[in-house]
Order: sequence, then structure tokens, then C-alpha cells
Amino acid sequence: QKEVEQNSGPLSVPEGAIASLNCTYSDRVSQSFFWYRQYSGKSPELIMSIYSNGDKEDGRFTAQLNKASQYVSLLIRDSQPSDSATYLCAVTYAGNNRKLIWGLGTSLAVNP
Amino acid sequence: ETGVTQSPTHLIKTRGQQVTLRCSSQSGHNTVSWYQQALGQGPQFIFQYYREEENGRGNFPPRFSGLQFPNYSSELNVNALELDDSALYLCASSLPRDNEQFFGPGTRLTVL
Repeated sequence: QKEVEQNSGPLSVPEGAIASLNCTYSDRVSQSFFWYRQYSGKSPELIMSIYSNGDKEDGRFTAQLNKASQYVSLLIRDSQPSDSATYLCAVTYAGNNRKLIWGLGTSLAVNP
Repeated sequence: ETGVTQSPTHLIKTRGQQVTLRCSSQSGHNTVSWYQQALGQGPQFIFQYYREEENGRGNFPPRFSGLQFPNYSSELNVNALELDDSALYLCASSLPRDNEQFFGPGTRLTVL
């Protein structure tokens, strides 16, 4: 059974701090990794995609992938109250029609 | 460029009824995937359509069916509705050979 696991939180950080969100996955043939942000009652919004080991930066967001340890993380620098949302980690596997396998999400609260 | 659109936004049905949900993919995206998201859960893959053919299916019963049209828009049909079908139904589209999926706003289905 392919699984994606995240801490449900809530993760609470003060405004301006770095928020660190983690995700582990169980299958070594995992191919592509995604972080989505979902506000309450809304649909997921793609923030970052990462395909190879290492770091990928986009503005205040950095995704980190470590395939040997089977984890992917998302760092949010200079956190803002508008970053308060649920962050979903999703993974696709080779030969699986690009089906996204999702974690349950981590709730992030950024306190002014 | 128009993003992914879904209709209707909200829907209330009673147990045993049938429902059709609609999705228009983002311009140039020929792959459409449908997901079901229950409250507090990550999305669950229902099925994917590519060039008007089903291209992968999750663990959903046959009463969940779909179509894709030549313009790449898609429908999700659910027969014999059950109370547990109450959820947010998400449609996502993607480019050919691209793993990034972009979501529409979703349809909130309530079954009474």
C-alpha cells in the first residue's frame, strides 16, 4: 500500500518566522512530489513541484527532497497570516498514470 | 488563459438519486483527473481521462462513472447516491506528459 504521511498539526508559528512542513512516503519508486495549499472550503492550489534530490526555491517557499530517506519538506520563510492554511503533500509513482497519492495535510496557523 | 472550471458549485441530493458534475479543463490540457475529498481528509483519486478514454481508476465502485469530450471537458456521474458520497469533488487538468495538476474550485455535494 503506497502511503504518504504528514503530521496533522496544527503547526503554529509567529508572523515572520520560518514554517517547516514535513512529509514522508513509503514507496521507493515515487517519481514526482508536490506541495499544495488549501484554504478552508477551497480547492488545492499547487505551490511547488520537485522531482530530484536537493532544494528548489520559489520566492518564500523552498521544497527539499531526500529520496534516500523518503521525505520531502516545505519551508516557508517570513511566514504571513495569509499563509495560514492546510498544506497537502502529494506524490506520483512511476507507471501509475500520474495519479496523485495524498497525505492528510498539515494545518498551519501563522499568528500576527 | 482560462483555468479549470467546475459546475455546479454546490449541490444537494437525496439518497438514491443520480448526479452529474462537470469540468472544463485549462486551455491545452488534455488530461482530466477527478478526486473526492471528504471533510478533514486528503483527496482520493476516482479516475483519470486522457484523450476521451479512462486512463486509470481508484478504488471507487462502478456507480462512479465518467466521460471526456473532444474539447477535453469532462463529466463525473454518480448513481444511487449514498450518504457517504457527501464530499468536495475536485477536477484537475494537466498538460500532456506533465505531472503538475491544476484544480478547479470543486463541487460541494451533500447527500441527505
